[in-house]
Amino acid sequence: KNQVEQSPQSLIILEGKNCTLQCNYTVSPFSNLRWYKQDTGRGPVSLTIMTFSENTKSNGRYTATLDADTKQSSLHITASQLSDSASYICVVSGDYAGNNRKLIWGLGTSLAVNP
Amino acid sequence: DAGVIQSPRHEVTEMGQEVTLRCKPISGHNSLFWYRQTMMRGLELLIYFNNNVPIDDSGMPEDRFSAKMPNASFSTLKIQPSEPRDSAVYFCASSLVRLGQQNTEAFFGQGTRLTVV
Repeated sequence: KNQVEQSPQSLIILEGKNCTLQCNYTVSPFSNLRWYKQDTGRGPVSLTIMTFSENTKSNGRYTATLDADTKQSSLHITASQLSDSASYICVVSGDYAGNNRKLIWGLGTSLAVNP
Repeated sequence: DAGVIQSPRHEVTEMGQEVTLRCKPISGHNSLFWYRQTMMRGLELLIYFNNNVPIDDSGMPEDRFSAKMPNASFSTLKIQPSEPRDSAVYFCASSLVRLGQQNTEAFFGQGTRLTVV
C-alpha cells in the first residue's frame, strides 16, 4: 500500500535553533517528493520538489534531502524563526505524467517555534 | 495573479442542507483539484479536472458529493444532503500541466472550513 509516514508528529523548538523533520515512504512508482508548508488556516505552499536523481535541494533556510534507495527524506530548518511555526507535509508523487493526480500525502509534522 | 480563490472561507450548515463550495483557479492553469483535509486522514484528493473535464473522481466519497467545472475559471463542489461527518476543510488547487513535464506544482486556495451540525 502506498504510504507516507512523517515523524515526529509534533515538535517544539526555540527561536534560532535548527531542526530536522523526517519522512519515510512506500510509494511505487516514484516520480518526485515534495515538502509543503501549511500555516494555520491556509492552504499548503510548496517548499521543494525533488526527483529521483536529486539528493538535496535548498530553499532559503529550508534544505530537503532524498535517499531514493532507502525511501527516506528529511527537511532541515536552519536558524528557525517564529514564522516557521506551521505544519510541514511530505508528499510523494507516484505519477510519471506529472499531473499531480497521484500525490500521496503524509499527515504532517506540526512545528512550533517559541521565542 | 491573486492565486486560487475559494469561497466561502467558512460555512456552517445544518445536517441535510445542500452546501456549495466555489473555486476560481489561477488564470491559465489547465488542471484543477478538490481536496478534503481532516486531522485523522490528512489531505485526500476528491476529484481532478483537466481542461474542464473530470478525469478522476474516484476519491469522491459518496453520491452526495458532486463537482462541476463549467469553464476554465470556475468550479463548484456540492454536497447534498450534508452530514456531520462531512465537516472538514475543503481545498481547491490548480496547476499548469505541460506535456512531458513531471514536476508540476499545485497551488492551493485558502480552503473552506465546513461545519455540519
